[in-house]
Amino acid sequence: KAGVTQTPRYLIKTRGQQVTLSCSPISGHRSVSWYQQTPGQGLQFLFEYFSETQRNKGNFPGRFSGRQFSNSRSEMNVSTLELGDSALYLCASSLELAGGNTQYFGPGTRLTVL
Amino acid sequence: AQSVTQLDSQVPVFEEAPVELRCNYSSSVSVYLFWYVQYPNQGLQLLLKYLSGSTLVKGINGFEAEFNKSQTSFHLRKPSVHISDTAEYFCAVNPAGGTSYGKLTFGQGTILTVHP
Repeated sequence: KAGVTQTPRYLIKTRGQQVTLSCSPISGHRSVSWYQQTPGQGLQFLFEYFSETQRNKGNFPGRFSGRQFSNSRSEMNVSTLELGDSALYLCASSLELAGGNTQYFGPGTRLTVL
Repeated sequence: AQSVTQLDSQVPVFEEAPVELRCNYSSSVSVYLFWYVQYPNQGLQLLLKYLSGSTLVKGINGFEAEFNKSQTSFHLRKPSVHISDTAEYFCAVNPAGGTSYGKLTFGQGTILTVHP
């Protein structure tokens, strides 16, 4: 079974631009979560989607948004990019919306904002 | 709300020596506990998790962890490490109740470096 895939793997943007990152979960998985990883703040939860609905949201500004499609693929969007948005963005999928489920992580998209 | 503290940011150890990576958590509700490993330029891979039952959990690659409810700890151990275990290790929690199903709260990570 193929793992979680994320595209693109690397992105370079300039301040003020917007960016869209894509995540394809493991086949059959219906829950997708997003995390931001930075050296200073570590791994922080962004949001979780299940059945095309956002179920949970972390403490990030409204510039960060996401969505999930009927095939469980997910995208996240960051508008008006700031230098501090430079990070590794990780997507994780799990089978169902249940606590304790294993989340399987993709390799991440490394975003650099200049 | 939950928080996780990994007590050591870096742990150097020689090959074939035992290692323990320490993790303490704080939560007002019951939690599920996880250890993930991240190799350079890769995502996170699950090593093991504790949901309920036996407090000693065995995972992949010879790792194990013990859940101690009274000390709110979940330390990761391996009796004999290999060079290939060099990576960053993350402890994480997930609330057992409520609706924060997919929200993992992570510790700051421990970089394990195994020297020959």
